[in-house]
Amino acid sequence: EPEVTQTPSHQVTQMGQEVILRCVPISNHLYFYWYRQILGQKVEFLVSFYNNEISEKSEIFDDQFSVERPDGSNFTLKIRSTKLEDSAMYFCASSVGTNTGELFFGEGSRLTVL
Amino acid sequence: EDQVTQSPEALRLQEGESSSLNCSYTVSGLRGLFWYRQDPGKGPEFLFTLYSAGEEKEKERLKATLTKKESFLHITAPKPEDSATYLCAVQASMDTGRRALTFGSGTRLQVQP
Repeated sequence: EPEVTQTPSHQVTQMGQEVILRCVPISNHLYFYWYRQILGQKVEFLVSFYNNEISEKSEIFDDQFSVERPDGSNFTLKIRSTKLEDSAMYFCASSVGTNTGELFFGEGSRLTVL
Repeated sequence: EDQVTQSPEALRLQEGESSSLNCSYTVSGLRGLFWYRQDPGKGPEFLFTLYSAGEEKEKERLKATLTKKESFLHITAPKPEDSATYLCAVQASMDTGRRALTFGSGTRLQVQP
């Protein structure tokens, strides 16, 4: 069964460092997303991406965040200068269409900022 | 602002003891309501989509229903493998321009043998 894969599974970084989280979406999906879940809190939307551009972003997704699809398979989330409050589980997801709420999530990348 | 509230926060059942989880929502026109299952340390796994009041969907021991203000996830004769956190999410209607899902906090279900 096709799946979304994410790397790394866990990253520990110092405050102020840059972090790149990587995702390989399901191959025939066209829409890609990043969500995050701070420990004990709700899953929150960050950004959606289609046709090589951001289609929607939340207030959380400020100038410190960026996304990129550098090649035909990878989808990355970059945090330029991490803060303590960026510590969370980051989930990549993909879908066939944008009007569907049927998203396929990866297992997540846990980011710990010290 | 779209809001999703789930209750109870946690539920402990004996194997075979049926129950229901509640999801109440406020959204600017509902495009769809979605149920996901999340196992510890994993990403959410899609279960159901509901689009309009009165709609029902079933999968094994789970049945999801929708009214204009809330949705229920009914679990019939649960088994220990049904233990997980169940998340409810809404998507606003197309004319809002928003496609992002708004999630609730989830109900943590534990089914004891």
